[in-house]
Amino acid sequence: EAQVTQNPRYLITVTGKKLTVTCSQNMNHEYMSWYRQDPGLGLRQIYYSMNVEVTDKGDVPEGYKVSRKEKRNFPLILESPSPNQTSLYFCASSPTILNYGYTFGSGTRLTVV
Amino acid sequence: AQSVTQLDSHVSVSEGTPVLLRCNYSSSYSPSLFWYVQHPNKGLQLLLKYTSAATLVKGINGFEAEFKKSETSFHLTKPSAHMSDAAEYFCVVSDNPTSGTYKYIFGTGTRLKVLA
Repeated sequence: EAQVTQNPRYLITVTGKKLTVTCSQNMNHEYMSWYRQDPGLGLRQIYYSMNVEVTDKGDVPEGYKVSRKEKRNFPLILESPSPNQTSLYFCASSPTILNYGYTFGSGTRLTVV
Repeated sequence: AQSVTQLDSHVSVSEGTPVLLRCNYSSSYSPSLFWYVQHPNKGLQLLLKYTSAATLVKGINGFEAEFKKSETSFHLTKPSAHMSDAAEYFCVVSDNPTSGTYKYIFGTGTRLKVLA
């Protein structure tokens, strides 16, 4: 089944403890992206990647890192999480940008205390 | 710069009545436009997309949308609402490919409530 898989689905962590949210797609998509969704703010893009080893900042990149060493994987790294990073996170992929639309993962609900 | 405005943050309809979710966009070129649906505690699912072919686009679950360039609109409709349509709906426009930023721009969402 074609899908984007995120792990974990739920995560509660403490301030400052490094964490990684994994994202993997099995569709050979070139374009991958991370979003956070907050009430009243909609979806905001954190980082995106056009292809392997090509990443760029979205609208809210502060406090996050990404890497794209393989085409299928696009992990989101929080080096020192803070409470304002408590949010619902989505990974998404697309064959290329612009005309295809995204396939989204099921989301990761992160709580930083 | 491209932008998208969803005109209603909440819409309530009775089961069996038509659904209209409104979306206006601003674009300096011919964009691609999308509608996504998000059911509670789920990811976003693509409902339909417009990519410069037919202006009336049919999607899944009986939804359709019409691209109207003169009105810069891409409203989502369904003839008869079902209880399972209760969800949040997002209108999305693709960024100008010449801008170099390669983004999808999301509206803030419309929450659809279906009354029995």
